[in-house]
Amino acid sequence: SQQGEEDPQALSIQEGENATMNCSYKTSINNLQWYRQNSGRGLVHLILIRSNEREKHSGRLRVTLDTSKKSSSLLITASRAADTASYFCASGANSKLTFGKGITLSVRP
Amino acid sequence: NAGVMQNPRHLVRRRGQEARLRCSPMKGHSHVYWYRQLPEEGLKFMVYLQKENIIDESGMPKERFSAEFPKEGPSILRIQQVVRGDSAAYFCASSPSRKGGTEAFFGQGTRLTVV
Repeated sequence: SQQGEEDPQALSIQEGENATMNCSYKTSINNLQWYRQNSGRGLVHLILIRSNEREKHSGRLRVTLDTSKKSSSLLITASRAADTASYFCASGANSKLTFGKGITLSVRP
Repeated sequence: NAGVMQNPRHLVRRRGQEARLRCSPMKGHSHVYWYRQLPEEGLKFMVYLQKENIIDESGMPKERFSAEFPKEGPSILRIQQVVRGDSAAYFCASSPSRKGGTEAFFGQGTRLTVV
């Protein structure tokens, strides 16, 4: 399996529900970042969590990091139709980011 | 402060032609990264450059691909003698520092189609 693998691969929820997405990585990291990509567009940076942090919040986003399990989760609370997008985790070490294949989130109005 | 600018947004090339993709980093950023995204895939690292230097090109195909980031002007990703398999979205990102914990800002990408 690849560095920065997310699960599930696809998630469909009702507007207002919470969405939880998970990511696992293999090697040591300096930080882990989550990005969003709307169809056919570029990546938008959502949140960065450093390797010495365990949890971080930004608006409706909550990210956790468990370095012992080499895993991270992204929680989007009170989801909106506009949250529909692909979400990628990217593990940062030294000079580059290693991305997973992404999770496709669909939020039904 | 404009974001990372990539051009063109869409590029169509016939097999055997050359493709030149340009990336202007955010103001004040001296670190540029190129990534390739195939359909339904995540981004794959290609190359990391600082001004006039290639720092890490471990993700670059050994042939036909080259990248530069001159002292003046944008970073260029050049693909010679393109083949259909080169069709993908190519994203550029920039950051102010290579230190761990630095957020990378991405451009909108160039979508290359080889016909």
